[in-house]
Amino acid sequence: AQSVTQPDIHITVSEGASLELRCNYSYGATPYLFWYVQSPGQGLQLLLKYFSGDTLVQGIKGFEAEFKRSQSSFNLRKPSVHWSDAAEYFCAVGDILTGGGNKLTFGTGTQLKVEL
Amino acid sequence: NAGVTQTPKFQVLKTGQSMTLQCAQDMNHEYMSWYRQDPGMGLRLIHYSVGAGITDQGEVPNGYNVSRSTTEDFPLRLLSAAPSQTSVYFCASSRDRGVDGYTFGSGTRLTVV
Repeated sequence: AQSVTQPDIHITVSEGASLELRCNYSYGATPYLFWYVQSPGQGLQLLLKYFSGDTLVQGIKGFEAEFKRSQSSFNLRKPSVHWSDAAEYFCAVGDILTGGGNKLTFGTGTQLKVEL
Repeated sequence: NAGVTQTPKFQVLKTGQSMTLQCAQDMNHEYMSWYRQDPGMGLRLIHYSVGAGITDQGEVPNGYNVSRSTTEDFPLRLLSAAPSQTSVYFCASSRDRGVDGYTFGSGTRLTVV
């Protein structure tokens, strides 16, 4: 069965500093990978996705993520964090056997706090 | 505005009561899903649908029923509410097998007392 691990429950960074959120997955084939962001009281918004091609993918709001097959990782990065980036971030893997993104397995999330 | 609409936003139920959480999307998406979000557990898939008339179970289906009579609507029914079903419920939809990512509704916060 597929699984996703986000080892950092909480992360605090200063505004303007760089950010890296870790995500490790377990899946038998090439996975469909996603990063979502959730602001307080809101639903989830897709930041970026990967399922083939260039292993460095660009998303919205200045985020990027790199797929590393050898490390089973899909870490999210941003070169300079803004106070508005404070939110909870979820990594997810899709089940390619049922069509790719249909049965998402989510990590437990990383809560990002930004210090001014 | 196009998107996924969930109603109600908040609900308190007594143990044993039944209710239906509504979900509607106006993007003509074939794929729809229900997730529950609990602290420290991320989101877990309850049921999903790949088109009108077709539904299947996810990771945590017990105590919930779904049906999909139209492309637009995907209601979630709680048959006999239990305190363990206290959670935030999200409906999501996607085209093309979900590979472009899902659009999520704003959620229903359910408390069962």
